[in-house]
Formats: sequence, C-alpha cells, structure tokens
Amino acid sequence: DTEVTQTPKHLVMGMTNKKSLKCEQHMGHRAMYWYKQKAKKPPELMFVYSYEKLSINESVPSRFSPECPNSSLLNLHLHALQPEDSALYLCASSRLPTNTGELFFGEGSRLTVL
Amino acid sequence: AQSVSQHNHHVILSEAASLELGCNYSYGGTVNLFWYVQYPGQHLQLLLKYFSGDPLVKGIKGFEAEFIKSKFSFNLRKPSVQWSDTAEYFCAVSPYGNNRLAFGKGNQVVVIP
Repeated sequence: DTEVTQTPKHLVMGMTNKKSLKCEQHMGHRAMYWYKQKAKKPPELMFVYSYEKLSINESVPSRFSPECPNSSLLNLHLHALQPEDSALYLCASSRLPTNTGELFFGEGSRLTVL
Repeated sequence: AQSVSQHNHHVILSEAASLELGCNYSYGGTVNLFWYVQYPGQHLQLLLKYFSGDPLVKGIKGFEAEFIKSKFSFNLRKPSVQWSDTAEYFCAVSPYGNNRLAFGKGNQVVVIP
C-alpha cells in the first residue's frame, strides 16, 4: 500500500468547472510534487514544493494552481481545463534534505475533461 | 539538466525468457538511479534504486540492475520472466543531493504465457 494518498481516484469535469485534487502523506516528508502522466508516456514534472514553498513550476498553465496548506497536504486546483489536460495526475513526496532523490508516489487521480 | 534514454520501447517475450532493458543517462555529476514499474492500471512502484556502493543492485521480484559509470548506464535484468511481469518499466535519474527526478520514455514489456 502506498503511503501517499490521493483523492479522488477518478474525476470527470467540464471545461467550465472548478475542481481540486488532493494529496496527503504522513511520512514527515517536506517535499511534495505533482506529476502529469499521459497514457503510455512517462510522468512529467509539474510542480515541486519544498518546505511548503513552491520551488519549481515547470511552466505549467495557470489553469492549474497548486497549494500546499501544510507539510502533509498538497492540492491541485483545476479551472477552465481543456480536453488535452485529461491525464493521470500523480502526487509524490520525498525527504528533505535529500541526497538520494527517492520519491514515493501515490496511486494517482485520473482526470477526464469533457 | 539530466536526461534519460531508454531504447526498444516495445518488448515482447515468452515466459522463462531473460529480460534486459537498457537505460543511459546524460549528466556530468553524481547521480541517483531508479527503475520504476507500472503494472496495467496501477500506480508507479519502485523496483530498485542505486545511490552508492555495490554497482549491482537487487530489487523486488527477482529484478536486478547494474550501474556502469563509464558507460552512463543502469540496465535492468531478470533471468526468467513471468506473465505477471507484463508492465511499463521506467528508468529515472536524479542528481545527487537534488530531488528533481527525470524519467525515460519507458519500456512496454509484454510477456506471453
């Protein structure tokens, strides 16, 4: 069982909807990540939070808005998405500081945009 | 930034055959190396990892990988595959002291019973 919990597991939304993806970990990790994975493709990094501050934004469109309310929680707010944003969204966490770079992944939230 | 190359994206083999998946990376410094597996419809799982020490590392389910620094490679092997090894395999690299993980394009492995 993964120790990174993501909700919801599946989400269907229209292009005008506002929704959020949630991620939670209780491993004491101080880095949390959002990745996007399209079918048959590798995960692509979207955002990294280090010590609850946004440290990396990989030029992600503003219709995706991350939030890290505390060291255990990570949200991804979605607004005015496009059908091409349909994908599996993966949350991950890791220790900080780190020499190993090992990430622990959640099971993902599968998003469909109609 | 580091980059990762995986070749032979689609691999089809019979049960009991041996499997070897190649992974090459490009980065000038020390790296941490990983292989992740994603079974159909499931999430990413860590298969094995290399940080330092013995370059031959053993992971779960009989997999092993060898780090060859001179070749910038971290190839994955399994002597005898099973049908349940059908999955997508991703090689990933992060610079030492850095949590920015980069993935290769993956190998789709299909094992025929």
